This record gives sequence, structure tokens and C-alpha cells, in this order.
Amino acid sequence: GNSVTQMEGPVTLSEEAFLTINCTYTATGYPSLFWYVQYPGEGLQLLLKATKADDKGSNKGFEATYRKETTSFHLEKGSVQVSDSAVYFCALTLLNFGNEKLTFGTGTRLTIIP
Amino acid sequence: GAVVSQHPSWVICKSGTSVKIECRSLDFQATTMFWYRQFPKQSLMLMATSNEGSKATYEQGVEKDKFLINHASLTLSTLTVTSAHPEDSSFYICSAGGHNEQFFGPGTRLTVL
Repeated sequence: GNSVTQMEGPVTLSEEAFLTINCTYTATGYPSLFWYVQYPGEGLQLLLKATKADDKGSNKGFEATYRKETTSFHLEKGSVQVSDSAVYFCALTLLNFGNEKLTFGTGTRLTIIP
Repeated sequence: GAVVSQHPSWVICKSGTSVKIECRSLDFQATTMFWYRQFPKQSLMLMATSNEGSKATYEQGVEKDKFLINHASLTLSTLTVTSAHPEDSSFYICSAGGHNEQFFGPGTRLTVL
């Protein structure tokens, strides 16, 4: 079956530090990969996505590259801000048509200290 | 971007009562909507896939008679938690498929006393 494994949190960093949140996946076929962010008390927002190998998704200073050879989609940001404090979910779907269910990782809680 | 709303945003009810949660796609039509449940500090658990005009598809272990899902139109899906009990207290999130992406609602926090 399909699965997503994320690094366990919580992760606490100082402002302007470099961030990496690891994500690896197992899938039958060629999935599309996503990072979602959930701010306190809110639903999920799509942060970035990549639909094929070697694609790089980027948004708000965050980046992730679809690595087929290592089945990974690690999230990175060069300089985090306090406003980046949230829970981050890695996810995949086999068909990127919006009508297929997403498989989520367990989420990583990120806290940025001023 | 596409917007999905949920109503109510939070609800408190007594044990044994039923609660209905609405999920609406405000500016697009969604043939498929999804209902998730999220426990504190945990990931989202898919409960069911809701298809407009047909019966919902429930994930293994989810009681279809307890969590009634209706997708009566292309912009509205409802989740009714019947005979709610304290263990049903949770954060319920819906998403709607459209534009090659899923868009998530803000969630509904249910507390059963």
C-alpha cells in the first residue's frame, strides 16, 4: 500500500535558522507529492507540490524536490520566521486530479523561537 | 484560490444527540469531497469519500451508520454524527476536489459532553 513517513517532531528552532523536515514515501506507481501546513486552530493549506520526478515545488521560501531514486520529498527553508510555526504534513496521491484521496504523514510540529 | 467553508466552526453537544456539519465549496463545483478526522497532535485520518449523487465510500473501521454522509449537490456535503458520545469529540475537516487539487475547509471542532 501507499504510505508516507515524516520525521517526528516537535522541532524547535531559532529565528533565521535553516529548516529541514524529512519525508519519504512508499507508493505503487508514480505519485504526486505535497506539503501541507496547518496553523493553530485552522484547516490545512497547500504549501507546495511536485507531480513528477526531479520537480521542485516552492512557495513562501520553502522548497522540496521530488527525488524518485531516494523516494523522498524533504521540505527545506533557508531562514525560518516565527510566523512559520505550524504543523507540516507530507502527503501523496496517485492521481493528481483532486478526486483521489491523499495519504498523509503523521505531521511535524514546528516551533520557531524569536 | 478555491475556497471551502465548514459550518459550524465549533459545536458542543450532549451525549446521545446528533450533530450535522456542512462542507461547502464556495467558488467551484466539487464532484468529490473528503471527510477527515484529526485527533490532538495527530495526523488526519480519512473517514470517507463523498461523491455527488451517490453513496459515500467509507474507510475500513468507520461506522457508516454513525457517520452519515450526504453529498446532495456539487457544492455541499454534510457529515452527521449520530448519537454522539464523548469519544466522538474531535476535529473534523473536509476537503473538496477541484482544479487538480484538494482544497481544505477550516475544520469543525466537536465536543461531546
